[in-house]
Amino acid sequence: DAKTTQPPSMDCAEGRAANLPCNHSTISGNEYVYWYRQIHSQGPQYIIHGLKNNETNEMASLIITEDRKSSTLILPHATLRDTAVYYCIVRAPISNFGNEKLTFGTGTRLTIIP
Amino acid sequence: KAGVTQTPRYLIKTRGQQVTLSCSPISGHRSVSWYQQTPGQGLQFLFEYFSETQRNKGNFPGRFSGRQFSNSRSEMNVSTLELGDSALYLCASRPLGEFGYEQYFGPGTRLTVT
Repeated sequence: DAKTTQPPSMDCAEGRAANLPCNHSTISGNEYVYWYRQIHSQGPQYIIHGLKNNETNEMASLIITEDRKSSTLILPHATLRDTAVYYCIVRAPISNFGNEKLTFGTGTRLTIIP
Repeated sequence: KAGVTQTPRYLIKTRGQQVTLSCSPISGHRSVSWYQQTPGQGLQFLFEYFSETQRNKGNFPGRFSGRQFSNSRSEMNVSTLELGDSALYLCASRPLGEFGYEQYFGPGTRLTVT
């Protein structure tokens, strides 16, 4: 799996958009970009994933550059509850059976400031 | 739908003892994976089960074992506990047939070995 690089920490004012970058310069053509977050003392929570097109769901937007070497997770209106560690992962698609190994890096610790 | 549940949530054991942790996946999910999370090593994959069979295994010693029952519930066992086994143990499930990495994590069991 391709490795990812994320800043160790970021702050964002409450109500503003939080933009979390991720570099994945060695990503392969069939690898997806996934984002998870982990709020203190809880299990990781899936946020969004994408291959090459920008994606949006009720939680966030994912912007992937044209060369796919980097991406940005956008939380449009950050709240205090968005304070968490955010993990960017790149991974090839899996089959129905097996090979479920997820590898998380150190992630970005996002702090939302009141 | 109820989420992934793990029991117990907290556990304190002494070195040399053994421990069994339990995980109930989301109803309908047949794949269960286990992870160990520590501050120093981050999230590390232990193993994955599907249809009562171990499909994939991480790089952990044989003291770590698991099993899955016909109702998809899973247990993991750690024998001869060491101080370094202190960690948050996370269970994650996903439904059969889903393409991609949308795993759903439980809240974890925090194990402290003294």
